Amino acid sequence: RKEVEQDPGPFNVPEGATVAFNCTYSNSASQSFFWYRQDCRKEPKLLMSVYSSGNEDGRFTAQLNRASQYISLLIRDSKLSDSATYLCVVNDDYKLSFGAGTTVTVRA
Amino acid sequence: DAGVTQSPTHLIKTRGQQVTLRCSPISGHKSVSWYQQVLGQGPQFIFQYYEKEERGRGNFPDRFSARQFPNYSSELNVNALLLGDSALYLCASSPIVRQPGTEAFFGQGTRLTVV
Repeated sequence: RKEVEQDPGPFNVPEGATVAFNCTYSNSASQSFFWYRQDCRKEPKLLMSVYSSGNEDGRFTAQLNRASQYISLLIRDSKLSDSATYLCVVNDDYKLSFGAGTTVTVRA
Repeated sequence: DAGVTQSPTHLIKTRGQQVTLRCSPISGHKSVSWYQQVLGQGPQFIFQYYEKEERGRGNFPDRFSARQFPNYSSELNVNALLLGDSALYLCASSPIVRQPGTEAFFGQGTRLTVV
């Protein structure tokens, strides 16, 4: 079983739409969680950390369910610039474990 | 301020050759990690170094090795290259050894193609 599994997508949505996708992780002892964004052929960049209470950063909302080992990301009012691959990331001690990514394309 | 810098940005090697990739962390960061990202997959952890010592190793063969220098820069070496080693190699720096919630900053990567 992979350490982190994600909805692969692709999600193709119109501008202004809401899109949501999930990931699950296998290690119940995992300590911290992130969403990273990766543009085509570029390096990953931190989008937001994910907290147990759920957290929001502008149009982005992340949720964590430790009991189900499940993380979600919701993007409201999608912009063209949100088109990217979103990587679910779990911090296990000294390393980051990445999902394969969810591709989102926002169309005009 | 300079971010994480990696060199070279692109590289083409022949099967069986050896390659060395370089990384300079953000100034003040003492921890460097290496990741391999094959097309269509997420990055996979290779090594973490902190204060010149290996602190963690992923599931990669012994053909992969790394080191960290006194100035905290790092090199990743891959021997006896295989076609399957073709990937984007990412270096990440963080101020301390990985702890929960510590953000890792990635370099732009070295794109290695093995032919």
